Amino acid sequence: GNSVTQMEGPVTLSEEAFLTINCTYTATGYPSLFWYVQYPGEGLQLLLKATKADDKGSNKGFEATYRKETTSFHLEKGSVQVSDSAVYFCALPNQAGTALIFGKGTTLSVSS
Amino acid sequence: GAVVSQHPSWVICKSGTSVKIECRSLDFQATTMFWYRQFPKQSLMLMATSNEGSKATYEQGVEKDKFLINHASLTLSTLTVTSAHPEDSSFYICSARGLAGEGLPGELFFGEGSRLTVL
Repeated sequence: GNSVTQMEGPVTLSEEAFLTINCTYTATGYPSLFWYVQYPGEGLQLLLKATKADDKGSNKGFEATYRKETTSFHLEKGSVQVSDSAVYFCALPNQAGTALIFGKGTTLSVSS
Repeated sequence: GAVVSQHPSWVICKSGTSVKIECRSLDFQATTMFWYRQFPKQSLMLMATSNEGSKATYEQGVEKDKFLINHASLTLSTLTVTSAHPEDSSFYICSARGLAGEGLPGELFFGEGSRLTVL
């Protein structure tokens, strides 16, 4: 079935540093891909998505490109802020398309 | 975006008691709701999928008699942990998918989560 693997954390960066969080997937076909974010004390919220190969999702300065050649959907941001400190989850639908499968989450900690 | 609310956000109970967690979609009708369980530093594990007016579909390994799910209306689903034990202590998260047209395929709206501690 479908699965997703994302890099282990935690990731610790200084403000304005460049961020990359790796995510690779295994799937039948080309499902939509998602990044969710969980800020401290809050529920998960959708950060960005891409619905087909070569699409680039973007939001709040974050970007991720759906690359079918490398089966990857890496999350990037050019200049992180302290407020970006959170847990980031890569996700894709299960094979039946009935629910989302999540990666283990990567904790990002940004210091000023 | 759409709002999903869970209650309570924190609950502590004694071993052997039952605990009910509510999940409500506040500004949309949710035909399908999902219950996830999140262990510390681990991913969200899907427990069950519930469709309004029908029985929940449980994932393999999840005890349906232990985790009772009811989705009685288009805005409310409940998870009841029966005869709770310390190993049931976890973070339970619900999510909802709206009717057709509310959110893209696969896009879910999440509650804030409910932390259960069983003493």
